[in-house]
Amino acid sequence: NAGVTQTPKFRVLKTGQSMTLLCAQDMNHEYMYWYRQDPGMGLRLIHYSVGEGTTAKGEVPDGYNVSRLKKQNFLLGLESAAPSQTSVYFCASSYSFLAGDNEQFFGPGTRLTVL
Amino acid sequence: GQNIDQPTEMTATEGAIVQINCTYQTSGFNGLFWYQQHAGEAPTFLSYNVLDGLEEKGRFSSFLSRSKGYSYLLLKELQMKDSASYLCAVRDGSGGSYIPTFGRGTSLIVHP
Repeated sequence: NAGVTQTPKFRVLKTGQSMTLLCAQDMNHEYMYWYRQDPGMGLRLIHYSVGEGTTAKGEVPDGYNVSRLKKQNFLLGLESAAPSQTSVYFCASSYSFLAGDNEQFFGPGTRLTVL
Repeated sequence: GQNIDQPTEMTATEGAIVQINCTYQTSGFNGLFWYQQHAGEAPTFLSYNVLDGLEEKGRFSSFLSRSKGYSYLLLKELQMKDSASYLCAVRDGSGGSYIPTFGRGTSLIVHP
């Protein structure tokens, strides 16, 4: 099993450009998440999904959109990139969070720089 | 919302014991997770606590006191490879989402 994979691993954008980050998981998990991690700020939730075809906003959703057309994939879009979106983006997945020790499995991250 | 507090940085000596604290305020506590994250890598799961007490896993133990809103991660027989960031995450069920919220992490530096 590959677990959680993310593409691309690195990307440099100019202000105003758009891009899509792809996350894929092969563990048949229902829940998927997108986080950003900035120095001193910890992991902050951007958007999440509790199943195919559903998405919900997290703590810092502005400037991002997501889609979950297939259970195994969760896409994060930046329509018009801004320097404030320079960050490391992590995707994660889990079975559920309604109870129990259902930990999150994280992808390797995407380092995005917006000039 | 939740307020999760961890020390920013700690240093310790190889072979020693270190305790990393996490305090939280939440209205619907539903579990606490600890993750380890090496520099440039993804977080990986270490432990989960939902009831009061100590959970032991080899060199790592995690403790929870729900009444005090307090947890700690105890690392014994420290090794150089334990140098990493340790993230505390609290799950709150009061809003209905049950999505854990992460603290800012504690950077642990282990020196010889």
